[in-house]
Amino acid sequence: SQQGEEDPQALSIQEGENATMNCSYKTSINNLQWYRQNSGRGLVHLILIRSNEREKHSGRLRVTLDTSKKSSSLLITASRAADTASYFCATVVLNAGNMLTFGGGTRLMVKP
Amino acid sequence: NAGVTQTPKFQVLKTGQSMTLQCAQDMNHNSMYWYRQDPGMGLRLIYYSASEGTTDKGEVPNGYNVSRLNKREFSLRLESAAPSQTSVYFCASSSRQGGTGELFFGEGSRLTVL
Repeated sequence: SQQGEEDPQALSIQEGENATMNCSYKTSINNLQWYRQNSGRGLVHLILIRSNEREKHSGRLRVTLDTSKKSSSLLITASRAADTASYFCATVVLNAGNMLTFGGGTRLMVKP
Repeated sequence: NAGVTQTPKFQVLKTGQSMTLQCAQDMNHNSMYWYRQDPGMGLRLIYYSASEGTTDKGEVPNGYNVSRLNKREFSLRLESAAPSQTSVYFCASSSRQGGTGELFFGEGSRLTVL
């Protein structure tokens, strides 16, 4: 079963627009991570936010975490065609071993 | 710095055949993982090794075996392949246990079982 679920499943925007992807999870977590996957490639780590953090930035990426709502969002500002990829959230469930569990992903297409 | 290297990149098997997917990392990481990725399912953990000499089952271990050969290498074996094992397999490593740090992924091994 998937701990994290991304929303929307697919998103299409124009270059320069902002892209927002959401992740909801079911149980208490230690941290939440976001990964990017280009077509046919492996996943690349983007950002990790700990359960005691509410917001984190990295370049054009902004991640928020609301543990009361069990949700996180990833915002990509001023998107570029090169941002076209699938984006996954991943969580570690507290007291459930060493399992980093991934959601089904959001497929982002940025049109030039 | 190669990171995580997986071989082979592509493989076609017939039902019942066996094969081993190889994974090696050169980052001196303690923890290594095998995931499978199927359309619409995200990644599911098959097995992991928190440190050299230890292995543990993940979410979908049935039909697979693993070997942590040394600190660098973690192999995944399919003893009798089934069509349901058609998937893309990813190996990953991390310097920290328990998912508390980022994972570094290989480029994937695409397996088709006929």
